[in-house]
Amino acid sequence: NAGVTQTPKFRVLKTGQSMTLLCAQDMNHEYMYWYRQDPGMGLRLIHYSVGEGTTAKGEVPDGYNVSRLKKQNFLLGLESAAPSQTSVYFCASSYSHRAAGSSPLHFGNGTRLTVT
Amino acid sequence: KNQVEQSPQSLIILEGKNCTLQCNYTVSPFSNLRWYKQDTGRGPVSLTIMTFSENTKSNGRYTATLDADTKQSSLHITASQLSDSASYICVVRGSGGGADGLTFGKGTHLIIQP
Repeated sequence: NAGVTQTPKFRVLKTGQSMTLLCAQDMNHEYMYWYRQDPGMGLRLIHYSVGEGTTAKGEVPDGYNVSRLKKQNFLLGLESAAPSQTSVYFCASSYSHRAAGSSPLHFGNGTRLTVT
Repeated sequence: KNQVEQSPQSLIILEGKNCTLQCNYTVSPFSNLRWYKQDTGRGPVSLTIMTFSENTKSNGRYTATLDADTKQSSLHITASQLSDSASYICVVRGSGGGADGLTFGKGTHLIIQP
């Protein structure tokens, strides 16, 4: 049981280049999320999905696009990378979204992206 | 605006000692509060969850407390081990906390020295 797997682990891009970050989960979770983590800041939500074929904007969506063609996969795209997008990106999944109870987020181990 | 403030920002203690991390929040209405542990180079992992009616919950050497009246939580680590070196993130779920309903603290960076 791998949980949440992110690829690649590291990537260096030049300004203006594009790339796709891959996230796969094997827990049959409905909900998936992309966060970015920057020094001195809490995790910030970029985009999320509440099910296959659905996506929605989070707190900091500009410059990113996402797709959820299959329930187990959630892709994050950067069409034209900028130095401000240098960050560590985390994918997460959970059983429920706004449930009052107990579903924790299960995180991948991150992709460290540097844009020069 | 919903906020989660954690203190201290960083902490260094000797192996075997105890420590307490603090989390103050302004998220309202409150649903639950969760502590995550994030090892260097890894994603956060859930340690414990506190709901409105719970005051204390333990997970091994980790004990979380919640005072919903004062909107404060603490995470107490007993008999620290080198493997406890990590960042500890407080996350509060509430209906006003963003698209995912969550407000994240910036974390406390804990270093355990031998």
